Amino acid sequence: GQNIDQPTEMTATEGAIVQINCTYQTSGFNGLFWYQQHAGEAPTFLSYNVLDGLEEKGRFSSFLSRSKGYSYLLLKELQMKDSASYLCAVRDWDYQLIWGAGTKLIIKP
Amino acid sequence: IAGITQAPTSQILAAGRRMTLRCTQDMRHNAMYWYRQDLGLGLRLIHYSNTAGTTGKGEVPDGYSVSRANTDDFPLTLASAVPSQTSVYFCASSDQGTSGNNEQFFGPGTRLTVL
Repeated sequence: GQNIDQPTEMTATEGAIVQINCTYQTSGFNGLFWYQQHAGEAPTFLSYNVLDGLEEKGRFSSFLSRSKGYSYLLLKELQMKDSASYLCAVRDWDYQLIWGAGTKLIIKP
Repeated sequence: IAGITQAPTSQILAAGRRMTLRCTQDMRHNAMYWYRQDLGLGLRLIHYSNTAGTTGKGEVPDGYSVSRANTDDFPLTLASAVPSQTSVYFCASSDQGTSGNNEQFFGPGTRLTVL
């Protein structure tokens, strides 16, 4: 079956670094996405990985290992505005996205 | 219009009533999607359309129908609403292709309560 697992909730301190993990089991793989969703708002695109390795974009980086069915999102120099849910999604064989339930990240001063 | 708009923003509906959620995009994306988001669950695909004139069923299509008469509009209809359809509904769009990112862009959502 199709399955994407992420931790339900994480807490981190302002200025610190946090890593949000995502493991997946899907019938196909055509890329992995990370989205950010603030409470009451729509998801917004953060990153895309289709090849193994690290993609860096400012304070955010995303890593992929296809052989392990594993990805992580790394957030550096955390700011209070980073408090949000982070959604992992895999694009399946039919190019539809399969979504994890999301990780709620709480940033404390 | 810039991006994707949805209407209404929120709605309270009596069970058994018919309801259409509207979605319009101005990015000329050929693919559009309807998702529902429920607490503790990931976004679940209801219906999608890869191009104007075609539609397909997603993971949870029962009780919903869609149409795609043109590129910009993708309405979602609940023929006879039931309380289990209480949810937040997101419309999204993307370029459709087999290479590249093709990220999905989301509308602001419609919060629907069925009593």
